[in-house]
Amino acid sequence: AQSVTQLDSHVSVSEGTPVLLRCNYSSSYSPSLFWYVQHPNKGLQLLLKYTSAATLVKGINGFEAEFKKSETSFHLTKPSAHMSDAAEYLCVVSDIGSGGYNKLIFGAGTRLAVHP
Amino acid sequence: DTEVTQTPKHLVMGMTNKKSLKCEQHMGHRAMYWYKQKAKKPPELMFVYSYEKLSINESVPSRFSPECPNSSLLNLHLHALQPEDSALYLCASSLTSDYYNEQFFGPGTRLTVL
Repeated sequence: AQSVTQLDSHVSVSEGTPVLLRCNYSSSYSPSLFWYVQHPNKGLQLLLKYTSAATLVKGINGFEAEFKKSETSFHLTKPSAHMSDAAEYLCVVSDIGSGGYNKLIFGAGTRLAVHP
Repeated sequence: DTEVTQTPKHLVMGMTNKKSLKCEQHMGHRAMYWYKQKAKKPPELMFVYSYEKLSINESVPSRFSPECPNSSLLNLHLHALQPEDSALYLCASSLTSDYYNEQFFGPGTRLTVL
């Protein structure tokens, strides 16, 4: 079975400094991996996805993630944080549910705070 | 059109009321999902529709009744809910229900049951 571990529940950075949000996964086959962002009381917005093409994936709003099979990691980075980046970030692996459907396995989330 | 819309944004209902949540997408997606999200928790899957047929019911109580009238529309009918059902209800869609397809989420309906 697939699983996802987000290594930090909270990350705090200053505006203009780099962001690193860590995610490790467990998968018995080639995974599909996603990062979503959720602002308070909002839906989930897809930042980027990995589906076995390039290992360095570029997403929206300057975010990118690198798939490292040897480390079973899919960490999210951004070179320079903006105040509007403050939100909850969810690392997700896609599994095949018992009915053959697309079952998302969510990490517990990382709350990113950005300080002026 | 690349978005999933949900109405209403907020809903307050009593335990004896009947109400419905509505979800719509015009991306030609053939899989649609309902999730429930409690505060500070990731979303939990409730139902999956694939090609307008209910394919998965994750042991959700019968007071929640999904309906998929056509490929663009998904409803969630609510009846005799309990206060613990208060949560953010999210709708999502994907091209098909294959595991490699990303899901696109709507903004959610914040439900409060009194």
